[in-house]
Amino acid sequence: QSVLTQPPSASGTPGQRVTISCSGSKSNIGTYTVNWYQQLPGTAPKLLIHSNNQRPSGVPDRFSGSKSGTSASLAISGLQSGDEADYYCAAWDDSLNGRGVFGGGTKLTVL
Amino acid sequence: DVQLMESGGGLVKPGGSLRLSCAASGFTFSRYSMHWVRQAPGKGLEWVSCIGGSGRSIYYADSVRGRFIISRDNAKNSVYLQMNNLRAEDMAVYYCAAEIIAATVLDYWGQGILVTVSS
Repeated sequence: QSVLTQPPSASGTPGQRVTISCSGSKSNIGTYTVNWYQQLPGTAPKLLIHSNNQRPSGVPDRFSGSKSGTSASLAISGLQSGDEADYYCAAWDDSLNGRGVFGGGTKLTVL
Repeated sequence: DVQLMESGGGLVKPGGSLRLSCAASGFTFSRYSMHWVRQAPGKGLEWVSCIGGSGRSIYYADSVRGRFIISRDNAKNSVYLQMNNLRAEDMAVYYCAAEIIAATVLDYWGQGILVTVSS
């Protein structure tokens, strides 16, 4: 059971907009910023969104993040087949002397 | 360019030990925290441990505390994970990651190294 809760799957057709939610608590998302990682099949994770809504250099503006209270979400607009991947939210958690926490991951399928 | 390269993985029996290494290049290593994250076969990402730039701040996941030890050698631009008393549930691909752009942001990752725990 992951500390951050994500839906296990999401799907959309090319060109559509999809959102992936991430639910936490006061000790993690309620206190710290949220980061999102994309993991394409067979590859290492890649930073997609950091500090709730910041895109690293090279990440298309089709990807956006937001946070409200103890929840966060990742939005992908103009869905492309190359977006098919696993997406993970993550945050720091100040319970148990401090630790990093990930969501369980959401597998995005482009239909 | 930032590069992270893990090594030291392999097959180990339950109860055994293994030491992972991660060699870093392309950034001022001593200034940044480093993390280990693992992924069991077919499962999601699990944060394992992190160490501050000076080595003074160290954190562990509950699942490894007391069995794993993270350390770093800033002269060698390397971070290590000593894994003791390994269990079947420790079998995973282990990634090292660098926290450069901002606190708690893992913006660079290695390619990962497989640790297999089996008798």
